[in-house]
Amino acid sequence: NAGVTQTPKFQVLKTGQSMTLQCAQDMNHEYMSWYRQDPGMGLRLIHYSVGAGITDQGEVPNGYNVSRSTTEDFPLRLLSAAPSQTSVYFCASFRQGGGYTFGSGTRLTVV
Amino acid sequence: SQKIEQNSEALNIQEGKTATLTCNYTNYSPAYLQWYRQDPGRGPVFLLLIRENEKEKRKERLKVTFDTTLKQSLFHITASQPADSATYLCALDPYNTDKLIFGTGTRLQVFP
Repeated sequence: NAGVTQTPKFQVLKTGQSMTLQCAQDMNHEYMSWYRQDPGMGLRLIHYSVGAGITDQGEVPNGYNVSRSTTEDFPLRLLSAAPSQTSVYFCASFRQGGGYTFGSGTRLTVV
Repeated sequence: SQKIEQNSEALNIQEGKTATLTCNYTNYSPAYLQWYRQDPGRGPVFLLLIRENEKEKRKERLKVTFDTTLKQSLFHITASQPADSATYLCALDPYNTDKLIFGTGTRLQVFP
């Protein structure tokens, strides 16, 4: 059972470039979330989905887009990368009221 | 302002002792609270969930308490081992919307 798979593991972008961070889960969880983790800040919620076709903003959504066309996939799009988006990004899936299963993360550097 | 407070200083203990980590929160009435373990370069791993009507929950060497009056959860690892060394995060759903917020975590170091 793969759980939550994130790709790529590492990425370097130039300021202004766009990219998509991929996230896929095989546990048939309805709920999925994207977090970023920065030193001293902890995990902060970017976007959230309660099922295919339904997304909502978290604490720090600016500069990011999401869509959820299937239960399995929840990609995160950076529209125009900025150095402030340098971070480690984690995708998670879960059942309502349950523990989260996280992916292994994407370490993004924007130069 | 910090919504969930965990001791940012590392906790260093000797193997075999009990480690106790603290999680304090303010202004919320969460239906449950969760604890996660995170190793360097890895994603957090879910350990335990405790509900508001549960005072204590155990899983093997782990024990969690939840005091909704004090707005505090304690996380205990008994008979600690060097393999328990990691950062431990607490998390809660402040508005019962399934959007977890996380503390910054406490790093635990267990020395042989």
